[in-house]
Amino acid sequence: GAVVSQHPSRVICKSGTSVKIECRSLDFQATTMFWYRQFPKQSLMLMATSNEGSKATYEQGVEKDKFLINHASLTLSTLTVTSAHPEDSSFYICSASRGGSMTEAFFGQGTRLTVV
Amino acid sequence: GQQVMQIPQYQHVQEGEDFTTYCNSSTTLSNIQWYKQRPGGHPVFLIQLVKSGEVKKQKRLTFQFGEAKKNSSLHITATQTTDVGTYFCAGVTTDSWGKLQFGAGTQVVVTP
Repeated sequence: GAVVSQHPSRVICKSGTSVKIECRSLDFQATTMFWYRQFPKQSLMLMATSNEGSKATYEQGVEKDKFLINHASLTLSTLTVTSAHPEDSSFYICSASRGGSMTEAFFGQGTRLTVV
Repeated sequence: GQQVMQIPQYQHVQEGEDFTTYCNSSTTLSNIQWYKQRPGGHPVFLIQLVKSGEVKKQKRLTFQFGEAKKNSSLHITATQTTDVGTYFCAGVTTDSWGKLQFGAGTQVVVTP
């Protein structure tokens, strides 16, 4: 199966600082990647769709200036949580699919963000 | 908007027993997918169903897609401790641009 690598797996940062999370497709090109947020014992909440070479599409209620997404190449998307606050603490997961009719998603390992 | 509902949210099973988790969409789906997330892990793709009435099996797991392509089920027979985790269904519609709409998930706990 396809491999998606996400880094870092865990990060602790101080309130007010920014954190960058990387998502890479290792063995396929991904024109589209997705960023999710997951609270404990809850489902995945889609935050935004990351499109290579264009602006990300954010879901309703997600602040685009707070969660900056850059999809600079066909294998890399980054999510930057700017001016992080304790309420931003969560599990962030990216996914990518091969595209076309192949919509099954391959997920990164996730990033556990703790803002103190 | 499209909603995918999944029940039960929690399933406590004795080892060796069977159980089923159900998924229902408010709109017709182009396909439905199932994922498993182990505690502390990330979702892992299990299967995709595309055709109306489709049934697929993976060892002790049986996946069904309804005739109307709005509901699906996952049935696990002879549950083992390795089946522990949360099972999510995720629906895709033709106009969703590949976005997955996840159900709430069924958290499965298995007791020996």
